[in-house]
Formats: sequence, C-alpha cells, structure tokens
Amino acid sequence: EVQLWESGGGLVQPGGSLRLSCAASGFTFRNFPMNWVRQAPGKGLEWVSTLSSTGQSTYYADSVKGRFTISRDNSKNTLHLQMSSLRADDTAVYYCAKGSADGDYFDYWGHGTLVTVSS
Amino acid sequence: YVLTQPPSVSVAPGQTARITCGGDNIGSKRVHWCQQKPGQAPVVVVYEDSARPSGVPERFSGSNSGNTATLTISRVEAGDEADYYCQVWDGSSDQDWVFGGGTKVTVL
Repeated sequence: EVQLWESGGGLVQPGGSLRLSCAASGFTFRNFPMNWVRQAPGKGLEWVSTLSSTGQSTYYADSVKGRFTISRDNSKNTLHLQMSSLRADDTAVYYCAKGSADGDYFDYWGHGTLVTVSS
Repeated sequence: YVLTQPPSVSVAPGQTARITCGGDNIGSKRVHWCQQKPGQAPVVVVYEDSARPSGVPERFSGSNSGNTATLTISRVEAGDEADYYCQVWDGSSDQDWVFGGGTKVTVL
C-alpha cells in the first residue's frame, strides 16, 4: 500500500523559512517522479513543484520559483521542500503526491501539512 | 494553459452528474480527475481520460474530445458529494501540471 506522510508544517513569519518532508513507503521510491501540490484555505489545488525520479530535473510554478527548492533522498525514500522568503499567500495545506509512471498526473497523495505564514 | 470547470453541480440521488472541464484542444491531451472530500486528501477517480483506478466504482467514467472533457457520475450517491478537479500535463512550458478550478458536487 502506497503511503505518503508529510511533516514540517507550522506557523512562520513573513520572510521566514520552513522545510517540509514527505516519507514514502509501499512503492519503489527511486523509480517515480515526486511532487508538491498546495491548497490555500477554501481554494483549489495548485501545482507547486515536481522532481524527476533521479533528482536531475526540477520544475517549479512561477509563484514559487526562486524561493522554493525541491529535493529527494532516494536512499531514505524521502522528499523535501525547502521554502524561503515566505509570504502570506504561501499559506496552504501542502500535499506530497507520487507521480504516475510517465509523470503526467498524481496517483497517490499524502494527508497534507499546513503552512501558515503570518506575523 | 487554462482549464475551466463550473463552480458547482447539483444532482438528486440516483441521477447522473456531469462535470465538464474546458480547455483549448483538450482532446489532444490526457485528462485526469480527482475527488476531494472535506478535510481529506484528493483521490484519483479517473486517469488518462477514461481509465479507473482499482477500487473506484464503475459509476465514475470519463470522456474527452475537442475542447471539453467530462467526468460522469452515474447513479449518484450521497457519498459522492465532494469537490472534483480535472488536471492535465500541458507539455508546452515548464508550468506543465495544470488543475482546473474545481467543481463542488452537491447531492440534493
């Protein structure tokens, strides 16, 4: 059974930093792209970032480019999202999502971790 | 690339709900649909236009042609009340993964 468990969310001041982690199990982690998707309170889903299976290719939404960094440790089956220069509009539930084999879509999702940016 | 969904759809139990997802020549792309119930993570109900993951009832079906993709829920049940999102991989830029705005399905 695929399981994804996010951690690291919390309250942070504007301009601050936070590192999210996602522990994966139930599949061969190193073989699949991994993603972060977020959802602001009462809003829809927004793709944030994607990392290829090898970690060689990274993709970011324009809204986070230059501020967020996605990474993975295939030896520990773990995905990370380093977030810096946080703004109020980054407030959201952040979901870790496993990519499909071709990377087209997100076939399994974690429960999410809430990030609140506020003074 | 922009995907357009109606904000809400209302349907009586036992009837059919159709949720549309509009996009420029979306028929040339593969469309995926996820369901999100309140306070829960999204779950894929249809992928690659019309395929269903194991465990998803046959009542959920998808189609895609021209400028519109459609998720159809037949014989709607109270438990189908949720937000539904369409999603595509665009491939024309580095902002490739796109979601529609979501449709709230209300079972009357």
